[in-house]
Amino acid sequence: EAGVAQSPRYKIIEKRQSVAFWCNPISGHATLYWYQQILGQGPKLLIQFQNNGVVDDSQLPKDRFSAERLKGVDSTLKIQPAKLEDSAVYLCASSEGRGRDNNSPLHFGNGTRLTVT
Amino acid sequence: AQSVTQLDSHVSVSEGTPVLLRCNYSSSYSPSLFWYVQHPNKGLQLLLKYTSAATLVKGINGFEAEFKKSETSFHLTKPSAHMSDAAEYFCVVSEAAAGNKLTFGGGTRVLVKP
Repeated sequence: EAGVAQSPRYKIIEKRQSVAFWCNPISGHATLYWYQQILGQGPKLLIQFQNNGVVDDSQLPKDRFSAERLKGVDSTLKIQPAKLEDSAVYLCASSEGRGRDNNSPLHFGNGTRLTVT
Repeated sequence: AQSVTQLDSHVSVSEGTPVLLRCNYSSSYSPSLFWYVQHPNKGLQLLLKYTSAATLVKGINGFEAEFKKSETSFHLTKPSAHMSDAAEYFCVVSEAAAGNKLTFGGGTRVLVKP
């Protein structure tokens, strides 16, 4: 099966600019996640979708980050405006399970490496 | 609240020797525990998971981990390291009370010397 697709692989922007990342999950996976992985740290969950609804966005900095999954398939994550501390790898993952009782394994994409200068 | 501590940020082993990556967790209830591996510029791949069945869990690529509730540990081992095992490894905990949200440890980077 095709894996989780993410684009772009790399992005370099200046602070205060805007940026968007795209993710296409594995076909049929109801749940989609965006994680932020800062260099030297483990990934941190930003937002979790089930189909086109948000399950958990408690750690999403909503003043500058937004995400959508309008048709319940692919998703975009946007940062506007970017700060230096947003430099990180942004990972998208998907799983088959549904809802907060979802314990299905996550399948990760290769990530987008963002550098903010 | 759940948390994970990986006791070593870096581990260096010689090819053919055993690998031990240490992980301790904190969880209010019966947790699910996972180990993921991340090769350079790649996404994370699931190595193995524990979900309250057998305490010794076998994963891919010859890795295994043992759940020890009394020690709140879930250490990852492999009898003989291969050069391709050089990567970063993450111990992960989730519990139903937290909506099965995954909490990652800080990672252990493994270097394999020829």
